[in-house]
Amino acid sequence: DTEVTQTPKHLVMGMTNKKSLKCEQHMGHRAMYWYKQKAKKPPELMFVYSYEKLSINESVPSRFSPECPNSSLLNLHLHALQPEDSALYLCASSQLGQGNSPLHFGNGTRLTVT
Amino acid sequence: KNQVEQSPQSLIILEGKNCTLQCNYTVSPFSNLRWYKQDTGRGPVSLTIMTFSENTKSNGRYTATLDADTKQSSLHITASQLSDSASYICVVSSMKAGTALIFGKGTTLSVSS
Repeated sequence: DTEVTQTPKHLVMGMTNKKSLKCEQHMGHRAMYWYKQKAKKPPELMFVYSYEKLSINESVPSRFSPECPNSSLLNLHLHALQPEDSALYLCASSQLGQGNSPLHFGNGTRLTVT
Repeated sequence: KNQVEQSPQSLIILEGKNCTLQCNYTVSPFSNLRWYKQDTGRGPVSLTIMTFSENTKSNGRYTATLDADTKQSSLHITASQLSDSASYICVVSSMKAGTALIFGKGTTLSVSS
């Protein structure tokens, strides 16, 4: 089991639905990330939070809305998604101020948009 | 342009054999190089992280090497096991502020009995 917990493991949603992905870590990491991974491709960075503030947004469409309510939690709110948004969504965390700190990934949420 | 290239794209070996995966990068300025293992349907797990001053690092049966002059790294797996079947991803970090990690496309390793 990983130290980064993501829920739900699987999610099927229609294009008009609103849903949220959740991520939790208790390692005291102050950097948290959302990645999107399509089949047989490497993860692509979406958002980075540092000290609960959004520090990087990789030009992600507004139908994806991140939220970091506290240092342990990270949410990704989904609205009006498209079928091409179907992918594995990975959350990760790391220590800040230590450039050699590894990313700790959760096992992801497998999202299917119908 | 910052890039990370991995080879081979896929590899099939017999259980108990050794193998070596390659990673070439053009990231500058270089900070560190990471190897991750990703099992199907799960998140990547860190195997090693190396800075420019380190030329080898081991984690059990996994040994990573780094040649910062030629900008090449390798991951050697000794006495492979069926559980080594996974995707192995090379990731390079730049010292340039605000630069995201650069991921390679991965090598898919299949270990058969």
